[in-house]
Amino acid sequence: GAVVSQHPSWVICKSGTSVKIECRSLDFQATTMFWYRQFPKQSLMLMATSNEGSKATYEQGVEKDKFLINHASLTLSTLTVTSAHPEDSSFYICSARESGSSYEQYFGPGTRLTVT
Amino acid sequence: DAKTTQPTSMDCAEGRAANLPCNHSTISGNEYVYWYRQIHSQGPQYIIHGLKNNETNEMASLIITEDRKSSTLILPHATLRDTAVYYCIVTSTGTASKLTFGTGTRLQVTL
Repeated sequence: GAVVSQHPSWVICKSGTSVKIECRSLDFQATTMFWYRQFPKQSLMLMATSNEGSKATYEQGVEKDKFLINHASLTLSTLTVTSAHPEDSSFYICSARESGSSYEQYFGPGTRLTVT
Repeated sequence: DAKTTQPTSMDCAEGRAANLPCNHSTISGNEYVYWYRQIHSQGPQYIIHGLKNNETNEMASLIITEDRKSSTLILPHATLRDTAVYYCIVTSTGTASKLTFGTGTRLQVTL
């Protein structure tokens, strides 16, 4: 149980285009989902917290107009990187916390974004 | 959330126990100790968590000192597949809680 999927697993896009990444909780409902970014040889950095049916809460320094987050259902959150630039190339990872639980987060496998 | 300190890297021979230490001297009374690991190019995997008592599950054991200022994650019989970065995270529970990842310990299991 407690499986989180991400789609796509990797994507290459051209500079200036937008890319959408999906995060799904497959066998549980998730009121809260989290989006992280990880650059090579670095740790995960939390970008934003996404709550179903409400606006996401962004961490300091993360541009909310560039990284659009939508959490329209209890099993799906999406991250859209708008007007992507090469410096946005990174490993994007989502996690989900089961509704009614305040404990562990379950992580997706990650999406590798390369902007050319 | 309290800050944690972990060694940058450790080696362990396959079949031996891997003991990964973590210091969290500023931990407060309502904060838990969580351990996650990340195998290269994958999402983190939950291992175990605890408040003050020692915990054990099918993956590992967590030993928390009586003053709660440090803890040790024990993989009883390390295998090559346990090679990963291990993160010790201290956080409170509750709907507002979130995980702050430090640099972790890179565990290399060798033959």
